[in-house]
Amino acid sequence: AQSVTQPDIHITVSEGASLELRCNYSYGATPYLFWYVQSPGQGLQLLLKYFSGDTLVQGIKGFEAEFKRSQSSFNLRKPSVHWSDAAEYFCAVGARGSQGNLIFGKGTKLSVKP
Amino acid sequence: DVKVTQSSRYLVKRTGEKVFLECVQDMDHENMFWYRQDPGLGLRLIYFSYDVKMKEKGDIPEGYSVSREKKERFSLILESASTNQTSMYLCASSLTGRAAETQYFGPGTRLLVL
Repeated sequence: AQSVTQPDIHITVSEGASLELRCNYSYGATPYLFWYVQSPGQGLQLLLKYFSGDTLVQGIKGFEAEFKRSQSSFNLRKPSVHWSDAAEYFCAVGARGSQGNLIFGKGTKLSVKP
Repeated sequence: DVKVTQSSRYLVKRTGEKVFLECVQDMDHENMFWYRQDPGLGLRLIYFSYDVKMKEKGDIPEGYSVSREKKERFSLILESASTNQTSMYLCASSLTGRAAETQYFGPGTRLLVL
């Protein structure tokens, strides 16, 4: 069965510092991987996704993620965090034949210190 | 831009009431989803629909039903609301059921059952 683990429940970084949010997945074949962001009181917005090709994926708002098959990971990174990045981040995995259903991780809440 | 709207942002209901949560998308998407979001549990799929009048159970369908009479509208029904259904409910849609498809989310309905 597919599963997604986000090991960090809550992370605090200083504004301007770099950020890495971890995501590990369990899936037998090549997965489809997504990162979504949820700002306070809002729905989820897609940051980026990976389904084939280059393992380094660029997304919106200056985020990127790297797919590492050997580590079953899809970590999200940003070189310099802005206060507006404070939000909750969800990693998700999809599978062929799943009718587009996604399995979401439990989320990582990001706080940004001034 | 894809727009997914949900009928209410906040809702307060009493135990035993029948509750309807409405979701509308304006981009002719085939698939629509209902999730509930609880702190520490992430998003869990309740039901999804891949066509008009077609529906499939997700991971936690107990206590819920759905209706999709028109392509753009997907309703979640709580037949007899209970306090353990107090939660944030998120609706999403995707163009097709392909695994790589992006899901677009509404802003959510925060339901309190007293």
